[in-house]
Amino acid sequence: NAGVTQTPKFQVLKTGQSMTLQCAQDMNHNSMYWYRQDPGMGLRLIYYSASEGTTDKGEVPNGYNVSRLNKREFSLRLESAAPSQTSVYFCASSELTKGFSSPPDVFGPGTRLTVL
Amino acid sequence: AQSVTQPDIHITVSEGASLELRCNYSYGATPYLFWYVQSPGQGLQLLLKYFSGDTLVQGIKGFEAEFKRSQSSFNLRKPSVHWSDAAEYFCAVGPSSNTGKLIFGQGTTLQVKP
Repeated sequence: NAGVTQTPKFQVLKTGQSMTLQCAQDMNHNSMYWYRQDPGMGLRLIYYSASEGTTDKGEVPNGYNVSRLNKREFSLRLESAAPSQTSVYFCASSELTKGFSSPPDVFGPGTRLTVL
Repeated sequence: AQSVTQPDIHITVSEGASLELRCNYSYGATPYLFWYVQSPGQGLQLLLKYFSGDTLVQGIKGFEAEFKRSQSSFNLRKPSVHWSDAAEYFCAVGPSSNTGKLIFGQGTTLQVKP
C-alpha cells in the first residue's frame, strides 16, 4: 500500500516547454486533487476530480490541464511552462464519506518544478 | 471574501512546554475546519477536522483544536510538545458541500528547543 505516489520528484523546464506530472493512488479513493505550494501562500487548489470521469477548476487553474485517466490516476499537464509556474506541486486524494467529500487526507511527496 | 489567517509565521517552544497555534477564518457559511502538518520535504498529513457537534476535537499525535464560532477561530493545541512536532502547520477551511475546495492559511513553522 503505497498511498499517493507522484512522478517525477524534481523537474527543470525551460519557458515554453511542456510536461505532465503523474499521480496515482492505491486506496480506492474517489476524489483526487492537485495543489501548488508557494512560500508564504499556503497551498492553492489547481484542479480537482470528485470522481472518475469528472474534473473541476480550483483556485488557480490557468496554464494547467488535468486528466482523470481512471480511478487511480490523475495527471496534471503544463502545455507551455512559464516561470510563474515554478512551485512545489502536491497531489492528494480522499474518499466520499456520508454523502460529502472528505477533505484531502493523503498527500503525495510532491514534485519540485523549476521553470527557467 | 473567504480567507484563513494564521497570525504567527514562526513559533519556538521548549520541548515539554504547551503549544497553541492560532487560526482565524472568514467564511460566509458554516465552515468545515482542518489542521494539517507538513514535515520537511514531505506532503501534508491531516491532523484533525471539525464538521459539527462537539467544538473540541481530538486529532492524531496528541493534538486537539477548539472551534469558537463567536471568535471565528480554530486554534490548535498540544499540552506537551515533543521534538518530533517541529514542522509546518496549516489551518484550512472548506465548504459543507460536495467539493474538496479547501482554503489554506499561510502556515506556521514550529521550532522545538531541546
